[in-house]
Amino acid sequence: DIQMTQSPSSLSASVGDRVIITCRASQNINFNLNWYQQKPGKAPNLLIYGTSTLHSGVPSRFSGSGSGTEFTLTISNLQPEDIATYYCQQSFGNPLTFGGGTQVAIK
Amino acid sequence: EVQLVESGGGLVPPGGSLRLSCAASGFTFSAHTMTWVRQAPGKGLEWVSGVSGNGGKTYYTDSALGRFTISRDNSKNTMFLQMTGLRVEDTAVYYCARDQTSPLRWDHWGQGTLVTVTS
Repeated sequence: DIQMTQSPSSLSASVGDRVIITCRASQNINFNLNWYQQKPGKAPNLLIYGTSTLHSGVPSRFSGSGSGTEFTLTISNLQPEDIATYYCQQSFGNPLTFGGGTQVAIK
Repeated sequence: EVQLVESGGGLVPPGGSLRLSCAASGFTFSAHTMTWVRQAPGKGLEWVSGVSGNGGKTYYTDSALGRFTISRDNSKNTMFLQMTGLRVEDTAVYYCARDQTSPLRWDHWGQGTLVTVTS
């Protein structure tokens, strides 16, 4: 199975800050990496797919980059509504696997 | 508007069975692979199973293989997950999600249904 490792597991930042979340795959997954946002008590929502394509309706302060085994999700200008847990997920091979999640809080 | 509504969750003893349903609307159901993803209390997300658009291909995580059966009824725009031999560690919120391809991602999710396995 492809293991997905996210870091950090949690972070606290101020409104307006730039936040970077890292996701590492245990093997080369090319660009087959998605990001989901999950707010407390809610279902996950797709944020970014194929490493860097924003899903419809997602604010442009979210961006993704990377390839192979190293990927990042960047939130520029953090907003209060961005409080959530963020998950990366590889779509390269079965079983499809998620990272452990990064919980983002506001200072 | 795409809508996915899960139902069928509840309390069940270890070894018991449960059938989850996911009712879909707002899109051509048969054109999409559909997926179940679960989340144990306070834990992360785990892909469980998927079924192709015509139901001909099914996919399972190792822990579900042999115990869970995924199916769909395209005439009723509904997907199912029949779960047998339930274990305490199957306790989770079960979400259904719609697949998009090229690249593969889950672009719409239901609100989830809670399955609690306890004696």
